[in-house]
Amino acid sequence: AQKITQTQPGMFVQEKEAVTLDCTYDTSDQSYGLFWYKQPSSGEMIFLIYQGSYDEQNATEGRYSLNFQKARKSANLVISASQLGDSAMYFCAMREGGSSNTGKLIFGQGTTLQVKP
Amino acid sequence: DAGVIQSPRHEVTEMGQEVTLRCKPISGHNSLFWYRQTMMRGLELLIYFNNNVPIDDSGMPEDRFSAKMPNASFSTLKIQPSEPRDSAVYFCASSFDGYNGYTFGSGTRLTVV
Repeated sequence: AQKITQTQPGMFVQEKEAVTLDCTYDTSDQSYGLFWYKQPSSGEMIFLIYQGSYDEQNATEGRYSLNFQKARKSANLVISASQLGDSAMYFCAMREGGSSNTGKLIFGQGTTLQVKP
Repeated sequence: DAGVIQSPRHEVTEMGQEVTLRCKPISGHNSLFWYRQTMMRGLELLIYFNNNVPIDDSGMPEDRFSAKMPNASFSTLKIQPSEPRDSAVYFCASSFDGYNGYTFGSGTRLTVV
């Protein structure tokens, strides 16, 4: 069964510094996708970044990058130059793929990030 | 593009009452997902549809929960009868073929008293 683990319930970072949010996953599929979502206090789920299991390069989207280490089954999110508006809950998620091709997206428990001024 | 539209945004109901949550996915998306978010259990997938057909409902907690997708532009999640432990935020999300670009609605905050 697929599983997503985020071991950091809460993190603090100083404004303008970089921060890494950890995510490990477990799957027997060869084809899968990894996602990060941001949930601010207002509650909406905001898509940040996606990494496919066959993508050789780490995904980047502006200040967000995904440190994908396939052998370690980790997909850490790196936020560079943190801003006060980055304070939110961050979720790592995995879409199963392979022969089932079901597209089901499962989530980790989330990490709360607080950016200090 | 209006995004995924959920209604109502907030719902307060008494225990035992029927509750219906609604979702309009993004036009052209053929996968639709219902999630429930609580502090204790996080984000749980309840059910998802592909081309209006339920594919996996193993996350539906019990028979009190049912979901339908009568056409490509509308889905409902019904709880009957509702119980206080059903209080949560319910999200609907849609995707093209269950791959990249899962878009979430704003959620419905349900409170059962």
